[in-house]
Amino acid sequence: DTGVSQNPRHKITKRGQNVTFRCDPISEHNRLYWYRQTLGQGPEFLTYFQNEAQLEKSRLLSDRFSAERPKGSFSTLEIQRTEQGDSAMYLCASSADTKPGELFFGEGSRLTVL
Amino acid sequence: AQSVTQLGSHVSVSEGALVLLRCNYSSSVPPYLFWYVQYPNQGLQLLLKYTTGATLVKGINGFEAEFKKSETSFHLTKPSAHMSDAAEYFCAVAPSGGGADGLTFGKGTHLIIQP
Repeated sequence: DTGVSQNPRHKITKRGQNVTFRCDPISEHNRLYWYRQTLGQGPEFLTYFQNEAQLEKSRLLSDRFSAERPKGSFSTLEIQRTEQGDSAMYLCASSADTKPGELFFGEGSRLTVL
Repeated sequence: AQSVTQLGSHVSVSEGALVLLRCNYSSSVPPYLFWYVQYPNQGLQLLLKYTTGATLVKGINGFEAEFKKSETSFHLTKPSAHMSDAAEYFCAVAPSGGGADGLTFGKGTHLIIQP
């Protein structure tokens, strides 16, 4: 088991461009989470999948953000028309149904919007 | 709704001294409580958790935490700090019964170990 993998690790983009991040969870985990972390803050919940179903979305997730998890495996997080305020570390985590709250995090994808 | 308050954004202790990182929570239902640690350039990893049962829970690397319902606290301790403990520590809360809406994290405490 290689853990949770996120790509790309770093992304620099210009304001107004679209970006997409990918997360490959631990294979036997059916829960997948996206969080956002800014400097000096703890991770903030964005959205949650159980298998392929997106069950929860935070109010932080504006309509410029969309997440998918086709076939209940990897997930993508797309940000359209990026703004400077979107600059942050985007974290993906996965967990098993039998161990709620025991999240395994990836190393994150750092987004810088110029 | 849940929230977490971590007192002290930075805590500095000498190597070999007691480590105490404070966490208070607010939850409308019985909580599950967690401490996560983030080493530089690494992902967050679970240090320990409280769900039900014994209120004193032990985690990895000699850390432990005690759930005190009357004080709504879940402070993290380690009797003797090691240089390798230098990291960012996050307390988190989830509603008992599944935490399907994800964990709510505190802002974190940066632990500095003085030689």
